[in-house]
Amino acid sequence: EIVMTQSPGTLSLSPGERATLSCRSSQTVSRSNLAWYQQKPGQTPRLLIYAASNRATGIPDRFSGSGSGTDFTLTINRLEPEDFAVYYCLQYGQYGNSREFIFGPGTKVDVK
Amino acid sequence: DVLLVESGGGVVQPGRSLRLSCVTYGFNFGGHGISWVRQAPGKGLEWVGVIRSESYGATADFAASVKGRITISRDDSKGIAYLEMNALKVEDTGVYYCTRVWNSWFDPWGQGTLVTVSS
Repeated sequence: EIVMTQSPGTLSLSPGERATLSCRSSQTVSRSNLAWYQQKPGQTPRLLIYAASNRATGIPDRFSGSGSGTDFTLTINRLEPEDFAVYYCLQYGQYGNSREFIFGPGTKVDVK
Repeated sequence: DVLLVESGGGVVQPGRSLRLSCVTYGFNFGGHGISWVRQAPGKGLEWVGVIRSESYGATADFAASVKGRITISRDDSKGIAYLEMNALKVEDTGVYYCTRVWNSWFDPWGQGTLVTVSS
């Protein structure tokens, strides 16, 4: 069984600070198969980063993704008020006989 | 604009079946896979299943938690994808989203349809 973890569970920061979110998989993930999403209360998830480090269309450059293997990071520089939300990583891979997408449990970024 | 619109949610008794529809607009439906993702109230995102494009044989894969109870199908002539769930359980309650598959990520997403499994 593949296990995805995200840390911390909650990150309490002030506007203007930097947020560093971690996503870890129990198995190696191809960089091309790792994405990040933002979800605000009552809203649909929004794609932020695909293929580990590529910003989706319209995403501000304060959002960046990095990492490889089993460890990936989403960094938000200079938090804006609209950035306080829940962030999920998503991986895709073939494991045994199955091909699966797996979301991490999420990191909530809230106002300190 | 690219748009996905889910429908078919509602209140259903445990053990019954339900079919959700995902109507799409504004893109080449036949060239993309469609995935379903659900979110239980107050919980995180859970991938449910995917149906690939005809170019990939229209094959489907499912999460272990629902395998054997769900079917995903597609009608390329209408630009619609379907999710059928059988033997529904209380823990199947949540908002069900359909989303377009781009390589190995999902974008954009529909607004979701709420399924409540309750007696």
